[in-house]
This record gives sequence, C-alpha cells and structure tokens, in this order.
Amino acid sequence: DTGVSQNPRHKITKRGQNVTFRCDPISEHNRLYWYRQTLGQGPEFLTYFQNEAQLEKSRLLSDRFSAERPKGSFSTLEIQRTEQGDSAMYLCASSPTRGDTEAFFGQGTRLTVV
Amino acid sequence: AQRVTQPEKLLSVFKGAPVELKCNYSYSGSPELFWYVQYSRQRLQLLLRHISRESIKGFTADLNKGETSFHLKKPFAQEEDSAMYYCALSDQLGDTGRRALTFGSGTRLQVQP
Repeated sequence: DTGVSQNPRHKITKRGQNVTFRCDPISEHNRLYWYRQTLGQGPEFLTYFQNEAQLEKSRLLSDRFSAERPKGSFSTLEIQRTEQGDSAMYLCASSPTRGDTEAFFGQGTRLTVV
Repeated sequence: AQRVTQPEKLLSVFKGAPVELKCNYSYSGSPELFWYVQYSRQRLQLLLRHISRESIKGFTADLNKGETSFHLKKPFAQEEDSAMYYCALSDQLGDTGRRALTFGSGTRLQVQP
C-alpha cells in the first residue's frame, strides 16, 4: 500500500499517560495535515506542515498536543497527560505542494483514554 | 468563520431510487468544495470536487453560490453506494499554502435492496 500510513491503528491508554502517533505521508507530498474526528462528527483540522515547517495550528490543539515533522517526511503527534476528552480518531492527510489539491488520508489512529 | 452543514445524519433509499445528499456552506470568499466518501472499514477518499465538474460513480454535484449549496446527486442509487459521505470546503491558498479542509458532520447513505 503506497498510501498514507498511520501507526498504531488503535491505542488504549490510561488517563494521564502520554501517547505518540506516527504518520508516513505519500512520498514527495510536501503538505501534511493532522485532523481529529470524534463520534458523529466530521474531521476537524488540527495542524499543518509544509515540509518540516509547522505553519499553522488550530485552536483545538491545546498545549498538551505537539506535532513534529523533523525531516519533512514522516510526522508524529504527541499528546501529553491524556484526558478522556482526547478519545477520538486521529487522521493524517498529505497532498503535493503544486497542482492537484486532493488530500489523501490515512486510515487513522483510534485513541481510547480510559 | 467558514462552516459546512449537512442537515441529514442518515438517508435511506431503495436501490434504483434517486439520491440527493444536501450540503450548505458559509464562507466569505471563493471556496473550493469537495465530497469525500468513506466506505465501511476503508479510509476517507475524495469522491469529487466542484472545479472538475465531473461525474464519479454516477454522482454529480453543482456549486450554487446563490444558495451556498453543493448537493450531491445520483439518479439511480446502487447498494455499493452505501457509505458515509462528507462535504468539505477548502479555503483559498494563503501565505502558508494551507489547504486544510473544513468538513460537515457527514451523512450516512443506506441503499436497501
């Protein structure tokens, strides 16, 4: 599968623990996005990278959330001191810088905080 | 602030019946509108976008700026069309090159035999 890859697919953690998710975008896609999707809702934008630069963060991204894309390839999303309200599907998407604006989504990481 | 509204959580139709999934948006500029689809146990994928003015899998959607709508239509539904459908809006390319999407809450289409 040469699409966007996310790991792990599922994560169950206890409240207060830290978790980290990984996203491998489609090769040569410069733009990378993180979204969060809660039950019954559409995905909501969290943050955006162009290459290694994090250019935008949503107000949804509290101080407990941090995202990196150190070499402009894969990206990680870390949540510190998880809360039950963080339980959601975390989606990663990538798109090329020029031309086609279609965003390609990964299958997501489902986080459950107990 | 931009917003996408999909008023129906669930739309159930019989095979062969026409389908219309409603989408309304609010945005002050010139948005780019999309329909994404998520089949069972699959990832979210693009179905169509308004700038292409194309028909994909028999679906079409016309951007109506006067009514700020982008309804998805298909004349004859098929069972394999059963899925979750999301309408999304992308704002204009800004200084950062951001093209993040604002999604509606989705409509589940059930096509019964």
